[in-house]
Amino acid sequence: DAGVIQSPRHEVTEMGQEVTLRCKPISGHDYLFWYRQTMMRGLELLIYFNNNVPIDDSGMPEDRFSAKMPNASFSTLKIQPSEPRDSAVYFCASSLFLTQASTDTQYFGPGTRLTVL
Amino acid sequence: AQSVAQPEDQVNVAEGNPLTVKCTYSVSGNPYLFWYVQYPNRGLQFLLKYITGDNLVKGSYGFEAEFNKSQTSFHLKKPSALVSDSALYFCAVRDSLPTGRRALTFGSGTRLQVQP
Repeated sequence: DAGVIQSPRHEVTEMGQEVTLRCKPISGHDYLFWYRQTMMRGLELLIYFNNNVPIDDSGMPEDRFSAKMPNASFSTLKIQPSEPRDSAVYFCASSLFLTQASTDTQYFGPGTRLTVL
Repeated sequence: AQSVAQPEDQVNVAEGNPLTVKCTYSVSGNPYLFWYVQYPNRGLQFLLKYITGDNLVKGSYGFEAEFNKSQTSFHLKKPSALVSDSALYFCAVRDSLPTGRRALTFGSGTRLQVQP
């Protein structure tokens, strides 16, 4: 299994530009999570999906951020317009729910390091 | 609301000595607890988890963790540290309620430095 795949690995853009981050979860997994890692705030959840449906987007900072999951094997996180404070490492993770007694482990992708100048 | 505390920003240990990385948590109901490791410029790698059952959980690379309900702790341990264990370690929690939030809440991380 290739694991969770994220692209690009690095992104440098200028303030005001649109940025799209991509994620391919592990095949067969039914949960997909987007997290952000910064020095100031640590690791924090942005949004997660179950069977392609957004379940909890309470961590999405503001309207500039949007996430979609058009099918079970692909998700995007878009920032428009980007700002310097969006600079962070963005992680995608996926998991498979088996039974309530066998809790799902989240497996993380390598992350996308975003720098907004 | 759930939370995780990792009281030490950094832990230094000599190679071959035992190591402990501390974690305490707060959650409604029974917790599901996890440890992840992050190497430079890499994603988080799963080490081990506690769901229920034995309080001592064994994981990857010789790591283990002890769940203590009365102290709400889940400390990570290894009997003999290796230089290659040097990395950033994260403790995470989520609640076990069937309708609970499935996302993880992470601690701030502890940097482990193993000296040769």
